[in-house]
Amino acid sequence: NAGVTQTPKFQVLKTGQSMTLQCAQDMNHEYMSWYRQDPGMGLRLIHYSVGAGITDQGEVPNGYNVSRSTTEDFPLRLLSAAPSQTSVYFCASRPLDSYEQYFGPGTRLTVT
Amino acid sequence: LAKTTQPISMDSYEGQEVNITCSHNNIATNDYITWYQQFPSQGPRFIIQGYKTKVTNEVASLFIPADRKSSTLSLPRVSLSDTAVYYCLVGSNFGNEKLTFGTGTRLTIIP
Repeated sequence: NAGVTQTPKFQVLKTGQSMTLQCAQDMNHEYMSWYRQDPGMGLRLIHYSVGAGITDQGEVPNGYNVSRSTTEDFPLRLLSAAPSQTSVYFCASRPLDSYEQYFGPGTRLTVT
Repeated sequence: LAKTTQPISMDSYEGQEVNITCSHNNIATNDYITWYQQFPSQGPRFIIQGYKTKVTNEVASLFIPADRKSSTLSLPRVSLSDTAVYYCLVGSNFGNEKLTFGTGTRLTIIP
């Protein structure tokens, strides 16, 4: 049981490039979400999903896309990277009947 | 999601009991209170969740007064490894609830 896994751990992008951050969970959780955390700040919700085929926006969705084709996977796409997207990105999952959320190890993204 | 207010930072010495209070004046009848812990360079980790009175697990206790407008996370006999940021969240609609984190309380344990 690996929990929530994220790849890559580190990534450097140039402005304007696109990429996909991968997230997978093996706990059969319906709810999955993406957060970003800037230095010294709390977490801000980007997008979330309550099940396969269902996604919704969080607090800071601009510049990001998500899809949920399976229960296990919830990739986050950066459409055209900007320096303001330099951050640590966390993926998380939980069952729908609890607020006990499980977080992945994070992806540290730098956009130059 | 009810707004929460926590102290920005706290210091405590090893071996002491630490109490972190969270204010949630607009808490709704069905809302639960949840606390997370985050170590540097890691994702947050669930600590405890409660609705009223007192909840205790192997890590912490959560005290919720009758009016539920605040809650207190109690960490017994802290050690250096308890240095972390602690977040208080309030919400009720488990299914579709967006879990939003504030800036939390940065707890520093002093040897």
